Amino acid sequence: QKEVEQNSGPLSVPEGAIASLNCTYSDRGSQSFFWYRQYSGKSPELIMFIYSNGDKEDGRFTAQLNKASQYVSLLIRDSQPSDSATYLCAVGGYYSGYSTLTFGKGTMLLVSP
Amino acid sequence: DAGVIQSPRHEVTEMGQEVTLRCKPISGHDYLFWYRQTMMRGLELLIYFNNNVPIDDSGMPEDRFSAKMPNASFSTLKIQPSEPRDSAVYFCASSRTGGTEAFFGQGTRLTVV
Repeated sequence: QKEVEQNSGPLSVPEGAIASLNCTYSDRGSQSFFWYRQYSGKSPELIMFIYSNGDKEDGRFTAQLNKASQYVSLLIRDSQPSDSATYLCAVGGYYSGYSTLTFGKGTMLLVSP
Repeated sequence: DAGVIQSPRHEVTEMGQEVTLRCKPISGHDYLFWYRQTMMRGLELLIYFNNNVPIDDSGMPEDRFSAKMPNASFSTLKIQPSEPRDSAVYFCASSRTGGTEAFFGQGTRLTVV
């Protein structure tokens, strides 16, 4: 049974701070890693994906992957109230195959003004 | 493109009734996924299609659930008979071979009373 674990939160940070969201996964064969953002009552939307160990930056977002530790994280710099949402970590079996994605239950992030 | 379109957005039905959820994927996408989201279990893959053919239905909870994709632009998820424990948000998503993102519809919130 493939598992993706996330702390349910809520994670509360003040505006302008760095928010750190973490995810661990059980399947060592996992190759693709995604972070989705889901606002309350809305559908998930992709923020970032990462395939290789290390960091990947996109604007205020940085995804970090450590396959040896089976750990993925998402850093949000200069957090804004509009970042308040649930962040879903998803793990896949191979680079372009969405068919094997397993989602975590998500971490709720609250950014206070 | 208008994105993935699901209907209805909300459905309230009585236990024992048949429920049909509908999805129109993004034109040109060859993968279609049906997910169910609950607080307890998070986002779960029910079934997915590739080029209109069901590939993996191992996530379908029981025989009361069935899904079809008669053509590239339309899919249905049917529950017959419905039960209160089927209450959830059902998402349809589509992606293309080699793509890095699955695009989600707005979801159908199903309530079975």
